[in-house]
Amino acid sequence: AQTVTQSQPEMSVQEAETVTLSCTYDTSESDYYLFWYKQPPSRQMILVIRQEAYKQQNATENRFSVNFQKAAKSFSLKISDSQLGDAAMYFCAYRSADDKIIFGKGTRLHILP
Amino acid sequence: EPEVTQTPSHQVTQMGQEVILRCVPISNHLYFYWYRQILGQKVEFLVSFYNNEISEKSEIFDDQFSVERPDGSNFTLKIRSTKLEDSAMYFCASLKTGPSYEQYFGPGTRLTVT
Repeated sequence: AQTVTQSQPEMSVQEAETVTLSCTYDTSESDYYLFWYKQPPSRQMILVIRQEAYKQQNATENRFSVNFQKAAKSFSLKISDSQLGDAAMYFCAYRSADDKIIFGKGTRLHILP
Repeated sequence: EPEVTQTPSHQVTQMGQEVILRCVPISNHLYFYWYRQILGQKVEFLVSFYNNEISEKSEIFDDQFSVERPDGSNFTLKIRSTKLEDSAMYFCASLKTGPSYEQYFGPGTRLTVT
């Protein structure tokens, strides 16, 4: 069975600085998708970024980028120029071949003004 | 931009009562999902639905739960006899199979069982 592990329950970063959230996963599949979701206090799940496992190039969306290490089964999220609106719970997620998404326990990110 | 909608946003019910949570997926999506998030915990998969039948379900999705797509637009989750531990945020999601492979989540329904 696939698992997703986020080892940092909480992190803090100064506004305008860069922060990296860690995620590792375990799977025997070779083709899959990885995601980072943001959950602000409103509790809506918002897709931040996704990565196709067959792509070697790391995904980037504006200030958000990932470091995808397929052999190490690692999928970290880097947020550059952190903003107050980035404060939220961030979930790393794995999409299995049967389409269900498996979430990690989340990392709560605090932005310090 | 099309979005998944869920109603109600908050449902309060007494233990033992039946509740129906409603979702309207994005219109040309083919796969539908329910997830649950107990307060302070991670989001957990409940069930996936395709071609008018359940394609996958978790161990959480026991006989108290059922899903249906009654009219081609709504996708509902029914809990027959609610328990205190059913209190959670319930998220609906839909997927249009294709290169994006992105599940679009609704805003969630907060269920409180008293």
